Amino acid sequence: SQKIEQNSEALNIQEGKTATLTCNYTNYSPAYLQWYRQDPGRGPVFLLLIRENEKEKRKERLKVTFDTTLKQSLFHITASQPADSATYLCALFQAAGNKLTFGGGTRVLVKP
Amino acid sequence: DGGITQSPKYLFRKEGQNVTLSCEQNLNHDAMYWYRQDPGQGLRLIYYSQIVNDFQKGDIAEGYSVSREKKESFPLTVTSAQKNPTAFYLCASHSLRGNGYTFGSGTRLTVV
Repeated sequence: SQKIEQNSEALNIQEGKTATLTCNYTNYSPAYLQWYRQDPGRGPVFLLLIRENEKEKRKERLKVTFDTTLKQSLFHITASQPADSATYLCALFQAAGNKLTFGGGTRVLVKP
Repeated sequence: DGGITQSPKYLFRKEGQNVTLSCEQNLNHDAMYWYRQDPGQGLRLIYYSQIVNDFQKGDIAEGYSVSREKKESFPLTVTSAQKNPTAFYLCASHSLRGNGYTFGSGTRLTVV
């Protein structure tokens, strides 16, 4: 069966450190992968998209890697700040079916 | 400002009632989506529409219905056939030439 797995345990990290989140998938052939941020009671906000032929993407303090052999994406927040505290969702897009499927999300808590 | 508006923010439904959740966008996006989110879980796709007057079932369409009579609007009806409707409902839109999805702020539906 198809699965998108993100660590369901919250990630507690000290301000200034790098937070690394993992998104693993099985039985998907995604054309691209996206990462979103979601604050409590709000809709997700798009952060980054990485295509199947790209290894790495950066945006300010964010970095995403995509390894289609390992079927894994890593999401890094460098120099983390308390304002980065939120839930981060990964999502896969498959051309077959033409839809975006989300993982369960990982909550990040950055302590001052 | 362009965006996507969901209303109401909170909705209470009695057993056996149908309720309709509103979703309007002024982003000129072609595609619109409805997702359901349960506590501590990711988003699950209910219905989506790529073009006016056409829509497809997502992964959990049973007990829901939609219409797409205008490009800007994609209302979701939660029918009495939906046995466990209490959840956070998110509407999203997407330009087929764009990157990430744009989400509304959500409607929290509670059965009383």
